[in-house]
Amino acid sequence: DIQLTQSPSTLSASVRDRVTITCRASQNINSWLAWYQQRPGKAPNLLIYKASSLESGVPSRFSGSGSGTEFTLTISSLQPDDFATYYCQQYISYPWTFGHGTKVDIK
Amino acid sequence: EVQLVESGGGLVTPGGSLRLSCAASGFTFSTTMSWVRQAPGKGLEWVSSISGRSTYIYYADSVKGRFTISRDNAKSSLYLQMNRLRVEDTAVYYCAREGSGEFFDYWGQGTLVTVSS
Repeated sequence: DIQLTQSPSTLSASVRDRVTITCRASQNINSWLAWYQQRPGKAPNLLIYKASSLESGVPSRFSGSGSGTEFTLTISSLQPDDFATYYCQQYISYPWTFGHGTKVDIK
Repeated sequence: EVQLVESGGGLVTPGGSLRLSCAASGFTFSTTMSWVRQAPGKGLEWVSSISGRSTYIYYADSVKGRFTISRDNAKSSLYLQMNRLRVEDTAVYYCAREGSGEFFDYWGQGTLVTVSS
């Protein structure tokens, strides 16, 4: 199975901060990586697919980059709605796997 | 508007069974569909996927042989039959659509399954 390691596990930041989350894959997954945001008590919401494609309706302050085994999710200017947990997911081969999540909380 | 609505969750004793349903609307129900779960306070875990015509079915090792995924395209519904339930199966179960790629572009609100004596 492909393991995804996210870092950091928790991130404290302030509104308008630039935030970067890293996801490392245990083997080459090309660009078959998605990012999700999950607010407490809610279902996950797709932000980014194919490593860098922004899902329709997602604010442009979110961006993704990387390929192979190293990926990043960047929020260019953190907004109050963005305090949530973020997960990466690989979809190059079954079983689909997720990172353990990065919780972004208020500093 | 795409909607996925899960039902069927509840409290069950270890070794028991439960059947989850997911009613889909707002799109042509011919895409691959999946179940993803989340134990309380934990991360996301993919459970199972089924292709549009049920030709391809996949399971996580943790549920293989105990859970069965199925679908009824005429009813735009997805199912998960869960047998021999264990305490560690306790989670919110989400129904999710795999859209243009094998990522999950729409999710239901989830249904809670609690396995406890």
